[in-house]
Amino acid sequence: NAGVTQTPKFRVLKTGQSMTLLCAQDMNHEYMYWYRQDPGMGLRLIHYSVGEGTTAKGEVPDGYNVSRLKKQNFLLGLESAAPSQTSVYFCASSSLPGTGVGGTEAFFGQGTRLTVV
Amino acid sequence: AQSVTQLDSQVPVFEEAPVELRCNYSSSVSVYLFWYVQYPNQGLQLLLKYLSGSTLVKGINGFEAEFNKSQTSFHLRKPSVHISDTAEYFCAVSGSGGYQKVTFGIGTKLQVIP
Repeated sequence: NAGVTQTPKFRVLKTGQSMTLLCAQDMNHEYMYWYRQDPGMGLRLIHYSVGEGTTAKGEVPDGYNVSRLKKQNFLLGLESAAPSQTSVYFCASSSLPGTGVGGTEAFFGQGTRLTVV
Repeated sequence: AQSVTQLDSQVPVFEEAPVELRCNYSSSVSVYLFWYVQYPNQGLQLLLKYLSGSTLVKGINGFEAEFNKSQTSFHLRKPSVHISDTAEYFCAVSGSGGYQKVTFGIGTKLQVIP
């Protein structure tokens, strides 16, 4: 039972390069999220998805794009990497909250440590 | 809008001593509250959550938290910490009902001193 799997785990990019982070979950969850974690700032939501084919902006979406072509996958793209995007990126997923019954927990991947030089 | 304040960025404590990690929240609607733990170089995992009912919630690894609506707090406690509890702890809040985004606090690093 893999849960949430992120690839790659580590990456170093040069300024201006592009890359895609892949998140895969095997729990049939509707909701998926991309967060970035920076020292002293906790987790900030970049983009999220409430179902296959849908995406929405979070708190810090600039410089990132996402796609959710398949329910189990959520891709995070950096078109032109900048040093400010040096961070640890976490993908998470959660199940669809039932009507009036929610409080579903989020399941997190192990993270991707990205350095932009 | 909702927010979470974790009042301490770092908490050092001696092994076998009790610990309390503080969390306050603000929200205009009913909330669900969570504590997550992040061990070094790992993702976050759920420690405990409050949805409704009893205000004292017990979680894994001997942790518990108490929901105090009047003080809008959800402090995390453990009566006796172990070296293996060294980690970063995140408080989180979401609105209740339907889809609600989760807002995380900035985290509290618990350092257990042998």
